[in-house]
Amino acid sequence: AQKVTQAQTEISVVEKEDVTLDCVYETRDTTYYLFWYKQPPSGELVFLIRRNSFDEQNEISGRYSWNFQKSTSSFNFTITASQVVDSAVYFCALSELPGGYNKLIFGAGTRLAVHP
Amino acid sequence: GAVVSQHPSWVICKSGTSVKIECRSLDFQATTMFWYRQFPKQSLMLMATSNEGSKATYEQGVEKDKFLINHASLTLSTLTVTSAHPEDSSFYICSARDPQTAALYEQYFGPGTRLTVT
Repeated sequence: AQKVTQAQTEISVVEKEDVTLDCVYETRDTTYYLFWYKQPPSGELVFLIRRNSFDEQNEISGRYSWNFQKSTSSFNFTITASQVVDSAVYFCALSELPGGYNKLIFGAGTRLAVHP
Repeated sequence: GAVVSQHPSWVICKSGTSVKIECRSLDFQATTMFWYRQFPKQSLMLMATSNEGSKATYEQGVEKDKFLINHASLTLSTLTVTSAHPEDSSFYICSARDPQTAALYEQYFGPGTRLTVT
């Protein structure tokens, strides 16, 4: 069965610290997509990244970077030099193509608090 | 980019009444829309998949007679919570697929509707 595990419920850091949010997934399919979303207090989901199962290249976007490792079924997210504006809940999600409607399975989320 | 709106952004209703939430794709036609529910400090749970012109597909455990979904046009899906009770109070989020510009995996999310049932 498909499953996304975000073991870290809450993380608290001081500004400028680096922080890594863990995501472990389970799927029986060889073709799938992984996502990270940010949900600030306003509630609206902000799309951060999408990665398909055939692309294991790590990605960097400004202070954000992602490490995808199929061998360990992990898709971790690192924020470098964290800022107060990074405070939010972050969700990792899995989508499988077979079956058509690409249901998104969300992890439980990690609440990140960045303190000045 | 693809924009999805929801109306209302928040609503308070009395127990026993029904409330309708709209989800619109503003600049694209969405053949498929999804409805999620998020309780406080919890994750998003898919409630149902809505396809234009056909009946919605509900996830296990979601009462189809209580949560009525209508996707009558390519830009509008509605979720009606019938005979609402306080336990239905939640954050309801819709998303939509744009079959023209996005692959099967892409979903665009609305800003959410916060429902409070008193």
